Amino acid sequence: EDKVVQSPLSLVVHEGDTVTLNCSYEVTNFRSLLWYKQEKKAPTFLFMLTSSGIEKKSGRLSSILDKKELFSILNITATQTGDSAVYLCAVMTTDSWGRLQFGAGTQVVVTP
Amino acid sequence: DAGVIQSPRHEVTEMGQEVTLRCKPISGHDYLFWYRQTMMRGLELLIYFNNNVPIDDSGMPEDRFSAKMPNASFSTLKIQPSEPRDSAVYFCASSSDLPRINEQFFGPGTRLTVL
Repeated sequence: EDKVVQSPLSLVVHEGDTVTLNCSYEVTNFRSLLWYKQEKKAPTFLFMLTSSGIEKKSGRLSSILDKKELFSILNITATQTGDSAVYLCAVMTTDSWGRLQFGAGTQVVVTP
Repeated sequence: DAGVIQSPRHEVTEMGQEVTLRCKPISGHDYLFWYRQTMMRGLELLIYFNNNVPIDDSGMPEDRFSAKMPNASFSTLKIQPSEPRDSAVYFCASSSDLPRINEQFFGPGTRLTVL
Protein backbone atom coordinates (compact mmCIF):
# COMPACT_ATOMS: atom_id res chain seq x y z
CA GLU A 1 0.00 0.00 0.00
CA ASP A 2 1.34 3.44 -0.94
CA LYS A 3 2.23 5.73 1.95
CA VAL A 4 3.09 9.40 2.34
CA VAL A 5 4.24 10.35 5.83
CA GLN A 6 4.97 13.86 7.02
CA SER A 7 6.84 14.89 10.12
CA PRO A 8 6.54 16.53 12.48
CA LEU A 9 2.75 16.74 12.72
CA SER A 10 3.01 20.21 14.17
CA LEU A 11 5.54 22.70 15.44
CA VAL A 12 5.69 26.16 16.95
CA VAL A 13 8.56 28.51 16.17
CA HIS A 14 9.43 32.15 16.72
CA GLU A 15 9.64 34.67 13.94
CA GLY A 16 13.04 34.56 12.32
CA ASP A 17 13.60 30.86 13.00
CA THR A 18 14.29 28.32 10.26
CA VAL A 19 11.86 25.44 9.80
CA THR A 20 12.53 22.08 8.15
CA LEU A 21 9.60 19.86 7.23
CA ASN A 22 9.95 16.25 6.17
CA CYS A 23 7.99 14.09 3.77
CA SER A 24 8.83 10.43 3.24
CA TYR A 25 7.06 8.17 0.80
CA GLU A 26 6.69 4.55 -0.15
CA VAL A 27 4.99 4.27 -3.51
CA THR A 28 5.38 2.17 -6.59
CA ASN A 29 6.29 3.90 -9.83
CA PHE A 30 7.02 7.31 -8.36
CA ARG A 31 6.61 10.24 -10.71
CA SER A 32 6.71 13.47 -8.74
CA LEU A 33 6.34 15.02 -5.30
CA LEU A 34 4.50 18.25 -4.65
CA TRP A 35 4.32 20.67 -1.74
CA TYR A 36 1.25 22.76 -0.96
CA LYS A 37 0.54 25.42 1.64
CA GLN A 38 -2.92 25.47 3.22
CA GLU A 39 -3.98 28.39 5.34
CA LYS A 40 -7.60 28.60 6.42
CA LYS A 41 -8.85 27.78 2.97
CA ALA A 42 -7.72 25.93 -0.12
CA PRO A 43 -4.24 24.47 -0.66
CA THR A 44 -1.97 26.56 -2.85
CA PHE A 45 0.81 25.04 -4.91
CA LEU A 46 4.41 25.63 -3.83
CA PHE A 47 6.78 23.23 -5.59
CA MET A 48 6.88 20.18 -7.80
CA LEU A 49 9.94 17.93 -7.59
CA THR A 50 10.77 15.21 -10.03
CA SER A 51 14.54 14.84 -9.99
CA SER A 52 16.84 14.07 -7.08
CA GLY A 53 19.23 16.66 -5.76
CA ILE A 54 17.86 19.67 -7.62
CA GLU A 55 16.76 22.36 -5.20
CA LYS A 56 13.66 24.34 -5.98
CA LYS A 57 13.60 27.81 -4.44
CA SER A 58 11.03 30.54 -4.08
CA GLY A 59 11.92 33.43 -1.82
CA ARG A 60 12.47 32.07 1.67
CA LEU A 61 11.12 28.63 0.77
CA SER A 62 13.16 25.85 -0.75
CA SER A 63 12.72 22.14 -1.29
CA ILE A 64 14.75 19.18 -2.39
CA LEU A 65 14.04 15.56 -3.24
CA ASP A 66 16.07 12.43 -2.49
CA LYS A 67 14.74 9.59 -4.65
CA LYS A 68 17.24 7.11 -3.27
CA GLU A 69 16.18 7.60 0.35
CA LEU A 70 12.57 8.38 -0.67
CA PHE A 71 12.04 11.69 1.05
CA SER A 72 11.78 15.40 0.52
CA ILE A 73 12.35 18.37 2.78
CA LEU A 74 10.80 21.81 2.72
CA ASN A 75 12.79 24.60 4.33
CA ILE A 76 11.48 27.96 5.38
CA THR A 77 14.09 30.49 6.46
CA ALA A 78 13.55 33.70 8.41
CA THR A 79 9.99 32.65 9.21
CA GLN A 80 7.21 35.22 9.45
CA THR A 81 3.78 34.99 11.03
CA GLY A 82 2.34 34.75 7.52
CA ASP A 83 4.08 31.39 7.13
CA SER A 84 1.70 29.91 9.70
CA ALA A 85 -0.22 27.22 7.82
CA VAL A 86 -0.52 23.51 7.21
CA TYR A 87 2.06 22.30 4.73
CA LEU A 88 0.95 19.32 2.65
CA CYS A 89 3.12 16.93 0.73
CA ALA A 90 1.64 14.87 -2.10
CA VAL A 91 3.00 12.18 -4.38
CA MET A 92 1.99 11.26 -7.90
CA THR A 93 2.81 7.93 -9.52
CA THR A 94 2.92 6.93 -13.15
CA ASP A 95 0.13 4.42 -12.55
CA SER A 96 -2.61 7.00 -12.28
CA TRP A 97 -1.93 10.20 -14.11
CA GLY A 98 -3.29 13.06 -12.07
CA ARG A 99 -4.00 11.21 -8.83
CA LEU A 100 -2.24 12.89 -5.89
CA GLN A 101 -1.83 11.02 -2.61
CA PHE A 102 -1.50 13.50 0.22
CA GLY A 103 0.23 13.20 3.55
CA ALA A 104 -1.51 14.31 6.72
CA GLY A 105 0.30 17.63 6.71
CA THR A 106 2.50 19.55 9.13
CA GLN A 107 0.93 22.42 11.02
CA VAL A 108 3.38 25.29 11.45
CA VAL A 109 2.67 28.10 13.89
CA VAL A 110 4.99 31.10 13.81
CA THR A 111 4.73 33.31 16.88
CA PRO A 112 5.75 36.98 16.95
CA ASP B 1 -8.14 35.65 -14.10
CA ALA B 2 -10.84 33.91 -12.13
CA GLY B 3 -9.69 30.85 -10.27
CA VAL B 4 -11.69 27.70 -9.65
CA ILE B 5 -15.20 28.64 -8.56
CA GLN B 6 -17.24 26.48 -6.21
CA SER B 7 -20.76 26.83 -4.91
CA PRO B 8 -22.20 26.87 -2.41
CA ARG B 9 -19.44 27.85 0.02
CA HIS B 10 -21.37 26.42 2.95
CA GLU B 11 -24.14 23.87 3.02
CA VAL B 12 -26.06 22.62 6.02
CA THR B 13 -28.56 19.86 5.42
CA GLU B 14 -30.34 17.10 7.20
CA MET B 15 -29.55 13.44 6.93
CA GLY B 16 -31.27 11.85 3.97
CA GLN B 17 -31.39 14.97 1.85
CA GLU B 18 -29.77 15.28 -1.56
CA VAL B 19 -26.77 17.59 -1.79
CA THR B 20 -25.30 18.98 -5.01
CA LEU B 21 -21.95 20.72 -5.08
CA ARG B 22 -20.87 22.71 -8.11
CA CYS B 23 -17.56 23.61 -9.68
CA LYS B 24 -16.36 25.77 -12.53
CA PRO B 25 -12.73 25.02 -13.42
CA ILE B 26 -10.21 27.51 -14.71
CA SER B 27 -10.85 28.16 -18.38
CA GLY B 28 -8.63 26.05 -20.61
CA HIS B 29 -7.84 23.45 -17.97
CA ASP B 30 -8.38 19.89 -19.16
CA TYR B 31 -8.36 18.14 -15.78
CA LEU B 32 -10.86 18.50 -12.97
CA PHE B 33 -10.54 16.90 -9.55
CA TRP B 34 -12.91 16.48 -6.61
CA TYR B 35 -11.36 16.11 -3.14
CA ARG B 36 -12.75 15.67 0.35
CA GLN B 37 -10.92 16.87 3.45
CA THR B 38 -11.64 15.78 7.01
CA MET B 39 -9.63 15.90 10.19
CA MET B 40 -9.58 12.12 10.39
CA ARG B 41 -8.65 11.24 6.83
CA GLY B 42 -6.96 14.36 5.53
CA LEU B 43 -7.25 15.31 1.87
CA GLU B 44 -8.54 12.49 -0.32
CA LEU B 45 -9.12 12.39 -4.05
CA LEU B 46 -12.65 11.27 -4.90
CA ILE B 47 -12.66 11.39 -8.70
CA TYR B 48 -11.01 13.18 -11.58
CA PHE B 49 -11.96 13.98 -15.15
CA ASN B 50 -9.92 14.59 -18.27
CA ASN B 51 -11.65 16.38 -21.12
CA ASN B 52 -14.99 15.84 -19.34
CA VAL B 53 -14.49 12.06 -19.11
CA PRO B 54 -14.14 10.39 -15.68
CA ILE B 55 -10.71 8.77 -15.52
CA ASP B 56 -10.36 7.52 -11.96
CA ASP B 57 -13.30 7.23 -9.58
CA SER B 58 -11.71 4.73 -7.22
CA GLY B 59 -11.88 7.26 -4.39
CA MET B 60 -15.66 7.66 -4.51
CA PRO B 61 -16.76 6.23 -1.17
CA GLU B 62 -19.96 4.49 -2.23
CA ASP B 63 -22.94 4.57 -4.52
CA ARG B 64 -24.43 7.52 -2.72
CA PHE B 65 -21.79 9.69 -4.39
CA SER B 66 -21.88 10.58 -8.07
CA ALA B 67 -20.06 13.15 -10.19
CA LYS B 68 -20.68 14.52 -13.63
CA MET B 69 -18.96 16.89 -16.01
CA PRO B 70 -21.42 17.74 -18.79
CA ASN B 71 -19.08 20.27 -20.37
CA ALA B 72 -15.61 21.77 -20.00
CA SER B 73 -16.75 24.54 -17.69
CA PHE B 74 -18.98 22.77 -15.18
CA SER B 75 -18.97 19.79 -12.87
CA THR B 76 -21.21 18.56 -10.07
CA LEU B 77 -20.72 16.24 -7.14
CA LYS B 78 -23.93 14.80 -5.78
CA ILE B 79 -24.59 12.96 -2.55
CA GLN B 80 -27.91 11.17 -2.26
CA PRO B 81 -28.91 10.41 0.42
CA SER B 82 -26.53 12.40 2.62
CA GLU B 83 -25.30 11.08 5.99
CA PRO B 84 -23.61 12.83 8.93
CA ARG B 85 -20.30 11.12 8.11
CA ASP B 86 -20.29 12.99 4.79
CA SER B 87 -19.64 16.22 6.69
CA ALA B 88 -16.36 17.59 5.33
CA VAL B 89 -14.87 20.29 3.14
CA TYR B 90 -15.14 19.37 -0.52
CA PHE B 91 -12.60 20.91 -2.86
CA CYS B 92 -12.63 21.10 -6.60
CA ALA B 93 -9.31 21.58 -8.40
CA SER B 94 -8.26 21.91 -12.01
CA SER B 95 -5.06 21.70 -13.97
CA SER B 96 -3.93 22.02 -17.52
CA ASP B 97 -2.45 19.30 -19.63
CA LEU B 98 1.29 18.82 -20.05
CA PRO B 99 3.58 20.24 -18.89
CA ARG B 100 1.71 21.45 -15.81
CA ILE B 101 -0.57 18.50 -15.10
CA ASN B 102 0.79 18.22 -11.58
CA GLU B 103 0.05 21.82 -10.61
CA GLN B 104 -3.52 21.59 -9.43
CA PHE B 105 -5.30 24.83 -8.59
CA PHE B 106 -7.84 24.46 -5.84
CA GLY B 107 -11.14 26.21 -5.41
CA PRO B 108 -12.21 27.73 -2.07
CA GLY B 109 -14.10 24.61 -1.06
CA THR B 110 -17.62 23.83 0.08
CA ARG B 111 -18.05 23.16 3.78
CA LEU B 112 -20.79 20.54 4.10
CA THR B 113 -22.50 19.81 7.38
CA VAL B 114 -25.03 16.98 7.50
CA LEU B 115 -27.12 16.98 10.67
